[in-house]
Amino acid sequence: TQLLEQSPQFLSIQEGENLTVYCNSSSVFSSLQWYRQEPGEGPVLLVTVVTGGEVKKLKRLTFQFGDARKDSSLHITAAQPGDTGLYLCAGGDSGTYKYIFGTGTRLKVLA
Amino acid sequence: DAGITQSPRHKVTETGTPVTLRCHQTENHRYMYWYRQDPGHGLRLIHYSYGVKDTDKGEVSDGYSVSRSKTEDFLLTLESATSSQTSVYFCAIRPGLAGNEQFFGPGTRLTVL
Repeated sequence: TQLLEQSPQFLSIQEGENLTVYCNSSSVFSSLQWYRQEPGEGPVLLVTVVTGGEVKKLKRLTFQFGDARKDSSLHITAAQPGDTGLYLCAGGDSGTYKYIFGTGTRLKVLA
Repeated sequence: DAGITQSPRHKVTETGTPVTLRCHQTENHRYMYWYRQDPGHGLRLIHYSYGVKDTDKGEVSDGYSVSRSKTEDFLLTLESATSSQTSVYFCAIRPGLAGNEQFFGPGTRLTVL
């Protein structure tokens, strides 16, 4: 059974601080997605990474896919209250149509 | 906007009653998914579809059935609702295998009393 573990589960920080969220698995994925979800809404895709070692930047967010395609990280620089939300990673398997989701990291950025 | 709607958005029902949730897309995408989201469990796949009348089970399919008679609609049915099925249900579409990404609907909050 494929599992994706996210850490930390909860994170409360002050505006302007940096943070990193981790997504780890013992399985290899063909792709990995990061989503952000706000209360009462569905997850919204932030990025997809497909190549081992790949780094993508989205303004203050930096995403990295591990060399072995088993793990990923999300780094936020100078967090803002608007970054508050639930961050989810999801691993895709090219052999099936399925995705495996991590349990999520709930981030709160205090002004 | 990925053109996904879910109905109803909220529902309260009693144990033992049948419930059907509807997911509708306007994008004509082949792949559609039903997930449930519960605290501490993230999103778990219930069923998915890879075409009209082509469906398969996910990791938590017991107690649920699905149907897809048209490309644009994917229905999730709880034949006899139980309290353990109280959850938020999300539908998602996937534009294609190469795209990898999924786009989610707004969710349905179901409470089974």
